[in-house]
Amino acid sequence: EAGVAQSPRYKIIEKRQSVAFWCNPISGHATLYWYQQILGQGPKLLIQFQNNGVVDDSQLPKDRFSAERLKGVDSTLKIQPAKLEDSAVYLCASSLAGATEAFFGQGTRLTVV
Amino acid sequence: AQSVTQPDIHITVSEGASLELRCNYSYGATPYLFWYVQSPGQGLQLLLKYFSGDTLVQGIKGFEAEFKRSQSSFNLRKPSVHWSDAAEYFCAVGGYNTDKLIFGTGTRLQVFP
Repeated sequence: EAGVAQSPRYKIIEKRQSVAFWCNPISGHATLYWYQQILGQGPKLLIQFQNNGVVDDSQLPKDRFSAERLKGVDSTLKIQPAKLEDSAVYLCASSLAGATEAFFGQGTRLTVV
Repeated sequence: AQSVTQPDIHITVSEGASLELRCNYSYGATPYLFWYVQSPGQGLQLLLKYFSGDTLVQGIKGFEAEFKRSQSSFNLRKPSVHWSDAAEYFCAVGGYNTDKLIFGTGTRLQVFP
């Protein structure tokens, strides 16, 4: 079974530039999550989708971050414009609806200089 | 406020020694508790979870954890550590299955031969 796929693995951008991350969840998983993991901290949930609807985006900085999940499968997370403090690993995870385990991708490491 | 505390930032043990990683949580409702492991450059892998029932849960790779409601703790244990266990370990709490997980800051485990 293929796991959660994320791209790119690494990205370096200058502050005020924009960037986008892509996630392909495990086939059949209705729930998709984006987490932000700042160095030295645990992952923090940014947004949760159920199919193509948003379940929770309370911790998403909506002035600069946006996410979508068209057709309830792949998802993209965008930052525009990026700030230095956005440097982090962005993890995508997916699970079956109502499941007790979420599967994580390898993450995208973003460095903003 | 809902939170997870992992008091030990870094632990070093010798191979073959026993291990206990501490986790304390603060949660207003019945907690769902998880331990994840993250190897360098990898996503998070679920080690074990507690939802209800027997307070001692068994996980993968020989790990176990004990839920103690009176102490608001969910400590992870392993009787004999292997060099391949060197990684970062995260405790997490959620309210329903995998929704809205709150992670601790992690404990980095180093294993000496």
